[in-house]
Amino acid sequence: ETGVTQSPTHLIKTRGQQVTLRCSSQSGHNTVSWYQQALGQGPQFIFQYYREEENGRGNFPPRFSGLQFPNYSSELNVNALELDDSALYLCASSREAPGTSGETQYFGPGTRLLVL
Amino acid sequence: GEDVEQSLFLSVREGDSSVINCTYTDSSSTYLYWYKQEPGAGLQLLTYIFSNMDMKQDQRLTVLLNKKDKHLSLRIADTQTGDSAIYFCAETGGFKTIFGAGTRLFVKA
Repeated sequence: ETGVTQSPTHLIKTRGQQVTLRCSSQSGHNTVSWYQQALGQGPQFIFQYYREEENGRGNFPPRFSGLQFPNYSSELNVNALELDDSALYLCASSREAPGTSGETQYFGPGTRLLVL
Repeated sequence: GEDVEQSLFLSVREGDSSVINCTYTDSSSTYLYWYKQEPGAGLQLLTYIFSNMDMKQDQRLTVLLNKKDKHLSLRIADTQTGDSAIYFCAETGGFKTIFGAGTRLFVKA
């Protein structure tokens, strides 16, 4: 148990639709990162939020957006869904940014999204 | 650019040692990690090593880091069937963590 939960566990959408995925971090974890893990691949960094501000972004288009709330919950929103968006979406939380003085990330179990 | 590479598969017999290798490209990486992922599950942090260390041992796990060659390895002693999973190597040099594609470890009884 990492103390990080995600909802829903599974989701099916069709092309062009919009989706919101949710993550609940441990209390006191100011940093949340979102990753996309396609089948057979390693997780790819989407973006990171620190104290409700976007702190960094990977190579994902603007239709991937996020929010972080004061209660240590966060959202990943994806607009205009494409077939290639089908993947496991993982959130990870930490007190500070990963790589800061040994700070480690705690991963949630993920949301599996299928786009038809 | 940033890249982390791993071999895709490793098969060992129960009781033997497993060695999973990884190479990375970002010389500014400060921390290197090993994660384990079982089917249908998220990522479990196994261990990590700071870039100024050569070796770290944690029970059955030994991590070796060759910073000159940008090579990281994970040795699992006395491998058990419960160790069957995908193992990811990852590096962090700033705000983001870069993962390899994962090594699938098969443990034969």
